[in-house]
Order: sequence, then structure tokens, then C-alpha cells
Amino acid sequence: GAVVSQHPSRVICKSGTSVKIECRSLDFQATTMFWYRQFPKKSLMLMATSNEGSKATYEQGVEKDKFLINHASLTLSTLTVTSAHPEDSSFYICSARRTSGGIEQFFGPGTRLTVL
Amino acid sequence: GNSVTQMEGPVTLSEEAFLTINCTYTATGYPSLFWYVQYPGEGLQLLLKATKADDKGSNKGFEATYRKETTSFHLEKGSVQVSDSAVYFCALASGSARQLTFGSGTQLTVLP
Repeated sequence: GAVVSQHPSRVICKSGTSVKIECRSLDFQATTMFWYRQFPKKSLMLMATSNEGSKATYEQGVEKDKFLINHASLTLSTLTVTSAHPEDSSFYICSARRTSGGIEQFFGPGTRLTVL
Repeated sequence: GNSVTQMEGPVTLSEEAFLTINCTYTATGYPSLFWYVQYPGEGLQLLLKATKADDKGSNKGFEATYRKETTSFHLEKGSVQVSDSAVYFCALASGSARQLTFGSGTQLTVLP
């Protein structure tokens, strides 16, 4: 149990376009989901905390108008990178925490975004 | 703020060698501590955790003890296998939202 999927697994887009990444908890409900960015040979950087039915909480330095997060249901959160630029190229990872309790986060496999 | 410092990699060991990956932390309050593992092409998986001082987390032969006096949570395994090759992340969770703060990750390669 506790499987989290992400779609797509990799995406290539042109500069200026928008890209949507989906994060789904497949076998549990998740009131809280998290979005991370992972740079090559670097740690995961928390971008935002997404709570179902409310606005996401963004970490300092993360542009909320550029990285739009929607957590419309207990099993789905989406991250939309708007007007993408090459510097947005990165590995984006989501995680989800069970609504039923516990502090453990279950991670998705990540999405590789390349902006040309 | 919170931070996690873990030893730089990459680490290359022969099969059956002893493994230690150092991890120290800075946090306010009483954090929970974790080790996550990321196998090639996969997402992060929780390896083990400890929620209070002197707790020992263990799984798949790996162990780590929550040392409050030295603010450390070093990962150890007595005899590594080729299948242990992965990136290992030390992390802590604190605050009301229990958000995770990660170390930089340590790449482990085990040679047959």
C-alpha cells in the first residue's frame, strides 16, 4: 500500500509554454501533499505544501504565480509550471501523507522536466 | 532554521564491507529523523526512522540511532550487498506541519 504516482514521468517543452504535472495517491487518501524540486547531485528542496481544498503554502523564494498548485481532491494534486524557461528544467517530486494519520510521506517516482 | 548535513559521496565499497554514512542535524524542538533510499529510476522510499532520542531505527540490515547529545543519526550496515547501491538521504521532520528537511544525499556503489 501507499503508492504515489506521477504523470508524466518526463516531459520536454518549449520555452514560454506551460506544463502540468499530476501527483496521485493510488491506494490512500492524502489531505496533504508536498512538491519538491531536485537538482542534479543535490538534495530535495521543498517548494510547497498542498492541502486539499485550500491554497498551497509556498516556501520562501518559490514564485506562486509561476508554480501553480491545485489540490482539488484527496487523491490528486497538480503542479503547473507556467511560462516555463530553461532554468525551470529539473526533477520534480511529489509526496503524500495519509489523511488517516502519521507523519510519513510517500514519494512519487518524479517527473523530469526539460525546457528547450 | 533546520538543516541536515550528511557526508559527501560518492561512496564505493566492495560487497560485504561495513558501511557508515554520517548525518548530523540542526533543528528546533524535537525532530523525527529519517533515512530515505532512492534506487536508480525510482522514487524515494523510507528506509528507517526514529522519533525520539536514543531510539534505534532498523530495516533490511541498516541501523541508525538518534543521538541527541551529538545531534547525529548515522546510518550503518554491517555487510553491504550490490543491491544496496542507491542514493541515501538523511532527513528530519519538525514543526507543526512536520515538513521534511533533507540532506544532500550520498551515492553508494557496491561492487561485486
